[in-house]
Amino acid sequence: AQSVTQPDIHITVSEGASLELRCNYSYGATPYLFWYVQSPGQGLQLLLKYFSGDTLVQGIKGFEAEFKRSQSSFNLRKPSVHWSDAAEYFCAVGALEGNEKLTFGTGTRLTIIP
Amino acid sequence: ETGVTQSPTHLIKTRGQQVTLRCSSQSGHNTVSWYQQALGQGPQFIFQYYREEENGRGNFPPRFSGLQFPNYSSELNVNALELDDSALYLCASSLVGQGVSGSPGYTFGSGTRLTVV
Repeated sequence: AQSVTQPDIHITVSEGASLELRCNYSYGATPYLFWYVQSPGQGLQLLLKYFSGDTLVQGIKGFEAEFKRSQSSFNLRKPSVHWSDAAEYFCAVGALEGNEKLTFGTGTRLTIIP
Repeated sequence: ETGVTQSPTHLIKTRGQQVTLRCSSQSGHNTVSWYQQALGQGPQFIFQYYREEENGRGNFPPRFSGLQFPNYSSELNVNALELDDSALYLCASSLVGQGVSGSPGYTFGSGTRLTVV
């Protein structure tokens, strides 16, 4: 069964600083990997996804993520955060069998300080 | 194109009651998946509906049930509510077989916040 671990529950960074959110996954085959963002009271918005090809994936809002098979990781990065990036971030792995469900990590809450 | 619409946005129920949550899928999508997101947790897959039938279920008891209608909208029903059912319930729609592999894949609604007291 697939699983996702996000080891950081809460991260605080200064506006303009760089950001890296960690994600480790467990999946028996080549995974589909996702990063979603959730603002308070909102649903999930897809930032980026990876399946194959270039291991560095570009997403919306200036985010990127790097797939490292050897480390079973898919970390999310942004070179310079903005106050509007404050939100909850979820890493997910997608199964291709049957209903193609998503398995999410527990999330990382990002706080931005001036 | 319209997105995924969920109703109501908030509701409060008493333990032991029953609740129905509704979801209108994005135009052109034919599957609906439901997720439960407890406070401080990631969303957990409840089940998916396709062609008006359940197409896979997560680790949830039978008192969680659903329906899908010919227009692809869906309902989530929860019987005998328990305090632990308090959560944000998210609906996601997609084209069958493209939720994960397709682009853009799943579209999520803003959710229904259920509080059980």
